[in-house]
Amino acid sequence: GQNIDQPTEMTATEGAIVQINCTYQTSGFNGLFWYQQHAGEAPTFLSYNVLDGLEEKGRFSSFLSRSKGYSYLLLKELQMKDSASYLCAAMDSNYQLIWGAGTKLIIKP
Amino acid sequence: IAGITQAPTSQILAAGRRMTLRCTQDMRHNAMYWYRQDLGLGLRLIHYSNTAGTTGKGEVPDGYSVSRANTDDFPLTLASAVPSQTSVYFCASSDSPDPNTEAFFGQGTRLTVV
Repeated sequence: GQNIDQPTEMTATEGAIVQINCTYQTSGFNGLFWYQQHAGEAPTFLSYNVLDGLEEKGRFSSFLSRSKGYSYLLLKELQMKDSASYLCAAMDSNYQLIWGAGTKLIIKP
Repeated sequence: IAGITQAPTSQILAAGRRMTLRCTQDMRHNAMYWYRQDLGLGLRLIHYSNTAGTTGKGEVPDGYSVSRANTDDFPLTLASAVPSQTSVYFCASSDSPDPNTEAFFGQGTRLTVV
């Protein structure tokens, strides 16, 4: 079956770095997405990876290893506003997104 | 402001009633989607439409129907609501169903079926 695994909750300190991991199993693969969702709000797009390696976008970076079925989202210089859930989603061979349950990130001062 | 709008924002519905959740986008996106989000679960696709005039079933389509008469609107109908349909419903759109295409989400409809 198709499955996405990511930690339920993580805690980090303001100004620090945090890495949120995601492993996936899908029927075929057409890329890995990360979305941010603040409580009570809509998900918003952060990144898309389809090739192995690291993609950097400001304070956020996303990494993909297709052979390992693994991705991570790296957040640097954490700010209080980064407190949110981070959703990992893999696109299967039918171009459908399979979503993880999300990782709730708590930032402490 | 361009974007995707859902209505209502929240609703309490008696079991057995019919309900239509509205979704409108003004970005001229071809693809539209309906998801439900439940605590502890990932977003689950209910129905989708890759272009006006076509629809498809997602992971959890039972009890729901959709139509796509034009590019902008993608209503979701619950023919006879049941308590298990209590959820937060998100409509989303993207320029195309192809990979590397960002999806834009509406603000969600919180539906409680009692």
